[in-house]
Amino acid sequence: DAKTTQPPSMDCAEGRAANLPCNHSTISGNEYVYWYRQIHSQGPQYIIHGLKNNETNEMASLIITEDRKSSTLILPHATLRDTAVYYCIVWKETSGSRLTFGEGTQLTVNP
Amino acid sequence: DVKVTQSSRYLVKRTGEKVFLECVQDMDHENMFWYRQDPGLGLRLIYFSYDVKMKEKGDIPEGYSVSREKKERFSLILESASTNQTSMYLCASSPPGQPGNTIYFGEGSWLTVV
Repeated sequence: DAKTTQPPSMDCAEGRAANLPCNHSTISGNEYVYWYRQIHSQGPQYIIHGLKNNETNEMASLIITEDRKSSTLILPHATLRDTAVYYCIVWKETSGSRLTFGEGTQLTVNP
Repeated sequence: DVKVTQSSRYLVKRTGEKVFLECVQDMDHENMFWYRQDPGLGLRLIYFSYDVKMKEKGDIPEGYSVSREKKERFSLILESASTNQTSMYLCASSPPGQPGNTIYFGEGSWLTVV
């Protein structure tokens, strides 16, 4: 599975958009980009995933570059409850594959 | 919404005790997983199962076993708990193996072995 690079920490003002970057330059053609977040002491929460097109759901938007070597998770109006560690993962779910979490980005939303 | 429920949120056990961690999912998912999460080490896969009565070792199976007698339930067993098994344990489930499927996690079980 391809490795990802994320900044260790970011800050965002409450009500503003939070843009979390992720580099995955070794992604292969059939690997998806997934984003999860983990609030302290809780299990990882699925946010969104995509293959090559931009995706949007009720939680966030995912922008994937045309060459698929990087992506950005956008939380359009960050709230204090969005403070968490955000994980970018590239993965293709097949028998025996491993979902591997790196260190992620600690996002702190400030009032 | 998919729900993965771990029966115990916080447990304290003594060294040598047999420990059962139970996990139930309500979405009829074929795949179920047990991970442990430790600071600086991320999530590590202990065991997974692709069907009832089937199990596969993950990356760190030593000291653990699992049981899957029913599709919705996946149990992690620590045969003889040791202090290095103090950790947060996460259960997860997903539909059958197709690219683009999503893994859903439970809330986690914090186990302390004293």
